[in-house]
Amino acid sequence: DIQLTQSPSFLSASLGDRVTITCRASQDISTYLAWFQQKPGRAPKLLIYGASTLQTGVPARFSGSGSGTDFTLTISGLQPEDFATYHCQQLNNYPYTFGQGTKLEIK
Amino acid sequence: QVQLVQSGAEVKKPGASVKVSCRAAGYTFTNYGITWVRQAPGQGFEWLGWISAYNGHTNYARKLQGRVTMTTDTSTRTAYMLLRSLRSDDTAVYYCARRDRYLRLDDYWGQGTLITVSS
Repeated sequence: DIQLTQSPSFLSASLGDRVTITCRASQDISTYLAWFQQKPGRAPKLLIYGASTLQTGVPARFSGSGSGTDFTLTISGLQPEDFATYHCQQLNNYPYTFGQGTKLEIK
Repeated sequence: QVQLVQSGAEVKKPGASVKVSCRAAGYTFTNYGITWVRQAPGQGFEWLGWISAYNGHTNYARKLQGRVTMTTDTSTRTAYMLLRSLRSDDTAVYYCARRDRYLRLDDYWGQGTLITVSS
């Protein structure tokens, strides 16, 4: 199975900051990577698919990049509603697997 | 608007079975698949598999082969996930999601169903 390693596991930042979360795959997954946002007790929300395509309705301050094994999610200008846990998922090989998550907290 | 509404929380004993439903609305059901994912307490997500609502084709996580069955009822626009021989480590929130097999994405998610396995 493909392993996804997210870093950091925890991230503390202030409103207006620019933050970057990375996701590294244990083998080449092309651009079949998605990013999700999850808030406590809520279902995950798709932010980005195909490594860099913004899902409809997601604010443009979210962006994704990467291909192969290294990927990043960047949030430019943190808003209060962005403090949540972020997960990456690979959809290149079955079983589709997820990273362990990155919890973004207010500093 | 697209909505996926799941059945309610359940408590089961080890060895029992549970069937979670996921009712879809707001889109052509047979144009998409349904993915099932779970999240154990305080843990990350685990992909369980998916089913095509068009032809019933399934792909299950190897770890659950033999214990899980995913089905759909196109007349009621409902997907089901049956998990047998429950163990304590099956305790989790189970989610369904709409799967676009061409774009390889799961875009709309159900609200989640908590399944607790306890003696």
